[in-house]
Amino acid sequence: KAGVTQTPRYLIKTRGQQVTLSCSPISGHRSVSWYQQTPGQGLQFLFEYFSETQRNKGNFPGRFSGRQFSNSRSEMNVSTLELGDSALYLCASSLADRVGLETQYFGPGTRLLVL
Amino acid sequence: DQQVKQNSPSLSVQEGRISILNCDYTNSMFDYFLWYKKYPAEGPTFLISISSIKDKNEDGRFTVFLNKSAKHLSLHIVPSQPGDSAVYFCAASGSNFGNEKLTFGTGTRLTIIP
Repeated sequence: KAGVTQTPRYLIKTRGQQVTLSCSPISGHRSVSWYQQTPGQGLQFLFEYFSETQRNKGNFPGRFSGRQFSNSRSEMNVSTLELGDSALYLCASSLADRVGLETQYFGPGTRLLVL
Repeated sequence: DQQVKQNSPSLSVQEGRISILNCDYTNSMFDYFLWYKKYPAEGPTFLISISSIKDKNEDGRFTVFLNKSAKHLSLHIVPSQPGDSAVYFCAASGSNFGNEKLTFGTGTRLTIIP
């Protein structure tokens, strides 16, 4: 079974621009979560989508948004980029049947550099 | 406010010996704990997990111990191998606020010395 895939792997943008990152979950997984990893803050939860609806949200400004499509693929968008948005953005998927405990499986990440 | 803490940023262990990585948490609503391993330029790889109804879970060379009263968990790797050199993150979630939201520690860099 193929793992979680993320595109692009690397991205360079300038301040004020916007960016869209893409994530394809493991086949059969319906939940997609996004995380930001920075050296100073570690791994922080951005939001989670399930059945095309945002089900959980972290403490990030409204410039960070996402969506999920009917095939469970997800996109994350950051508008009006700031230097501090430079980070590794990770996507994770899980079955999310909420019957038992969930294990999330991560993609390789998209490294975003904002100049 | 760091709800999951890994107080040792780094750890060096001789090959063949036991590696013990520690993690503390403050939120008593957490009921599921996971360990991930991360190599540079890759996403975290799931290693092992434990639910709050257990105090130990074992998978091959990896064992996770949970002490709920102390709000402490540890990962034991026996025997340690050079391929275990990586950054290890502990993570926690709670069924009350969505199991999909993982709160991570800041990581411990483990170096196995041949």
